[in-house]
Amino acid sequence: KAGVTQTPRYLIKTRGQQVTLSCSPISGHRSVSWYQQTPGQGLQFLFEYFSETQRNKGNFPGRFSGRQFSNSRSEMNVSTLELGDSALYLCASSPQADNYGYTFGSGTRLTVV
Amino acid sequence: QQQVKQSPQSLIVQKGGISIINCAYENTAFDYFPWYQQFPGKGPALLIAIRPDVSEKKEGRFTISFNKSAKQFSLHIMDSQPGDSATYFCAALLTGTASKLTFGTGTRLQVTL
Repeated sequence: KAGVTQTPRYLIKTRGQQVTLSCSPISGHRSVSWYQQTPGQGLQFLFEYFSETQRNKGNFPGRFSGRQFSNSRSEMNVSTLELGDSALYLCASSPQADNYGYTFGSGTRLTVV
Repeated sequence: QQQVKQSPQSLIVQKGGISIINCAYENTAFDYFPWYQQFPGKGPALLIAIRPDVSEKKEGRFTISFNKSAKQFSLHIMDSQPGDSATYFCAALLTGTASKLTFGTGTRLQVTL
């Protein structure tokens, strides 16, 4: 059974650019959540999607957005990149809406220069 | 703000020893408490989890102890091995229509020979 797949694994972007990260959940999983991981702030919740609907959003500026497609795949977008957006972005999927049994992907390492 | 406080920040244990990591939470509505293990370059992986109606759960060398009245829970790793060297995160989940994991700040465990 394939795990959560995140692409790309590494990205280097310039300040002011925008970036789109992709997440393919485990087959059959309908809930997808995104987290930002940094050494200073730890793991912080970005947003969660279930059946193409955003159910919850963390305390991040509007530059951070996401969406979920009908096949449960999800993308997140960050516009007008800032140096502080450099982080590991993690996607997690779970079978149901209750989010028990989260499975994380290996993440996308974003570096903003 | 819902918080989960984790200690210690780092821990060095000899091979065969017991590793203990502690967490405390504030929101009594949390109803699921997982522990995650993260190796460098990987996403967090679910290690073991407990619900608040149980005081202890054991899976192999890993045990969660849960004290509902004190709002504390801890991870015990028995017979610690060098392969256990990783960062450990406690977390708490409030399930429902807006469920999301709230993570502790992480403990970097090093098991020495």
